[in-house]
Amino acid sequence: EVLLVESGGSLVKPGGSLRLSCAASGFNLSRYTMDWVRQAPGRGLEWVSSISTRSTYIYYAESLKGRFTISRDNARNSLYLQMDSLRVEDTAIYYCVRERVSTSGNWFDPWGQGTLVTVSS
Amino acid sequence: DIQMTQSPVSLSASVGDRVTITCRASQTINIFLNWYQQKSGKAPNLLIYGASNLQSGVPSRFSGSGSGTDFTLTITNLQPEDFATYYCQQTYNTRPWTFGQGTKVEIK
Repeated sequence: EVLLVESGGSLVKPGGSLRLSCAASGFNLSRYTMDWVRQAPGRGLEWVSSISTRSTYIYYAESLKGRFTISRDNARNSLYLQMDSLRVEDTAIYYCVRERVSTSGNWFDPWGQGTLVTVSS
Repeated sequence: DIQMTQSPVSLSASVGDRVTITCRASQTINIFLNWYQQKSGKAPNLLIYGASNLQSGVPSRFSGSGSGTDFTLTITNLQPEDFATYYCQQTYNTRPWTFGQGTKVEIK
């Protein structure tokens, strides 16, 4: 079974840091671009960041303004998101997703169960 | 960035109904449009990719259509387990991949 399991979410004060992890199983992580997507409480979905198979291409949402860093360890079948200078508005569930691609485009499947990050004083 | 607008924001329907949700892109996105279903408290789940391709394991009562800027998700014979929020997503050209604001399908 293809599975993504996030961890690392917690309560953190504004200005603090947090590192999220995503453990992949059931497939070879090294063959896929991976992404993070977040969802603020009661809100919609927001793409956060992408990283290509060998970390050659990395993208971030403009709103993050260099505060987040995505990385991966293919040998450990793991994806990470380092979050620095956290703000109240970063409060959200963070999902790890596998990106699929074909001539029909790119899409996200599967999604992890999510990990909750709460930024509050 | 490409803006995605879904309509309606919410709708009420009964079991057995046919439901249509639309998604409009702020510029042409060819067929690079996906649909996801999110049930309360759960992660989203892929339904349709490439505008009209049904993801494996998804019931055939779900279908997608459209190209360019206008897209539709149709659910025929609505079932109790279909009450959820639905999101469209564009993956045209380059990031950022953007989502619609969501459409909540509620029980009438």
